[in-house]
Amino acid sequence: EAEVAQSPRYKITEKSQAVAFWCDPISGHATLYWYRQILGQGPELLVQFQDESVVDDSQLPKDRFSAERLKGVDSTLKIQPAELGDSAMYLCASSLQGQTYEQYFGPGTRLTVT
Amino acid sequence: GEDVEQSLFLSVREGDSSVINCTYTDSSSTYLYWYKQEPGAGLQLLTYIFSNMDMKQDQRLTVLLNKKDKHLSLRIADTQTGDSAIYFCAEILSGSARQLTFGSGTQLTVLP
Repeated sequence: EAEVAQSPRYKITEKSQAVAFWCDPISGHATLYWYRQILGQGPELLVQFQDESVVDDSQLPKDRFSAERLKGVDSTLKIQPAELGDSAMYLCASSLQGQTYEQYFGPGTRLTVT
Repeated sequence: GEDVEQSLFLSVREGDSSVINCTYTDSSSTYLYWYKQEPGAGLQLLTYIFSNMDMKQDQRLTVLLNKKDKHLSLRIADTQTGDSAIYFCAEILSGSARQLTFGSGTQLTVLP
C-alpha cells in the first residue's frame, strides 16, 4: 500500500538553529500539504502545494518558515531560526488532484526545540 | 480548531459500542471526516461523509450527520483494545481550497 514518507521521524535542536523536514507524497499525488500539530490539539495547515506551486501559505510564519516543492514531487519544510514554541509534530499529507477530499498523512516528524 | 469541537475523553469496555461526537459551526461544510491517530503516529483516514448524506456505514464504523444541529458522530461497534487512539473530526468548507479544519481530538480508551 502506497504511503506518504517523512524524515526524520524525530528531531531535537537547539533554539536559533536551522532545521529541515522532508516529505515524499504518494506517487501521482499532485497536492501536498504541511500541517503542524501542537501536543493536545488537532493539526493546522501551514502550506498547500499544487504540483510545484503554492496554493495557500497564509498560515505559514514566513519570517522563519519556508517550504518548497521544486520538481512538484517531494517537499522540504525549513525553520530558521527555530524557537521553543516550534516544538510540535509536523505532518505531511497528499491527495490526488481533483480528489483533495481524500488526504493521506505521513507518520510525521516530532520536533523538540531546547 | 475552534470551529470544530469534540469532547476530550471517552472510555468504553471491550466489546461495547463507542460513540464519539463532534459539533461544527459552519454550515458550508462540504465533507466531514474522521481520522484516527495512534501514539506517536500520523493520522489515518477512517471514513468521511459528504454533506448531503445522513449516514454512512463501513464495517464496524457508522457515521451519522445531523445537518440541522451541525452534529457528526462516529460509532464503533464491538470496540477492541486496538481501537484505543485519538479520534479527530475534521471538515472541509466550500471554497476553502480543500483545507481540513480539525477538532482537538477525542482520546478513546478501551478497557479490557
